[in-house]
Amino acid sequence: DVKVTQSSRYLVKRTGEKVFLECVQDMDHENMFWYRQDPGLGLRLIYFSYDVKMKEKGDIPEGYSVSREKKERFSLILESASTNQTSMYLCASSLGQGAYLYEQYFGPGTRLTVT
Amino acid sequence: AQKITQTQPGMFVQEKEAVTLDCTYDTSDQSYGLFWYKQPSSGEMIFLIYQGSYDEQNATEGRYSLNFQKARKSANLVISASQLGDSAMYFCAMRVDRGSTLGRLYFGRGTQLTVWP
Repeated sequence: DVKVTQSSRYLVKRTGEKVFLECVQDMDHENMFWYRQDPGLGLRLIYFSYDVKMKEKGDIPEGYSVSREKKERFSLILESASTNQTSMYLCASSLGQGAYLYEQYFGPGTRLTVT
Repeated sequence: AQKITQTQPGMFVQEKEAVTLDCTYDTSDQSYGLFWYKQPSSGEMIFLIYQGSYDEQNATEGRYSLNFQKARKSANLVISASQLGDSAMYFCAMRVDRGSTLGRLYFGRGTQLTVWP
């Protein structure tokens, strides 16, 4: 069974703090993704990575950065948290080149509140 | 640009009835895949069904089927014999098979399905 874990289910941070959201997958997947989910907007892609030390911007990268130092771990960083970054953050992973479906497996999500 | 449209923010269905959740997509690519995910109130995303653009048959997985109409660019999810546990948010998503974006999914805004007894 593929397992994607996220470091926290709930997180409360203050405006201006640096925030780290961690994601770990245990199935040797090449691809990893960070989304944010807001009511009425669906899932929006922030960043993704196809390989270690590699990253690509998604649709809403502003205010975020990522790090992938090891294949199994993909971190999302809010350099200076703002209230408009209050949201649910979902991490996902999938097989890489040559996969059939590229089906994404999701973590349980982190609900971040910035006050 | 790739786009997924789900026009039904909310749907209601009585238990044991069938329900169709609409999804239309927009892409100029010829090779792509379409997914449906379910998200219960607990928050986890559950993969339900997949349809490839070259698949001639509509995909089916148990009570779920995907009504794929390529010319109309629609990929509606049909749930037969609804159960109370089907109450959830449902997302349609598309994968485009192009090198630089291989593997990323484009999601719709979701449809909240409520099944009542």
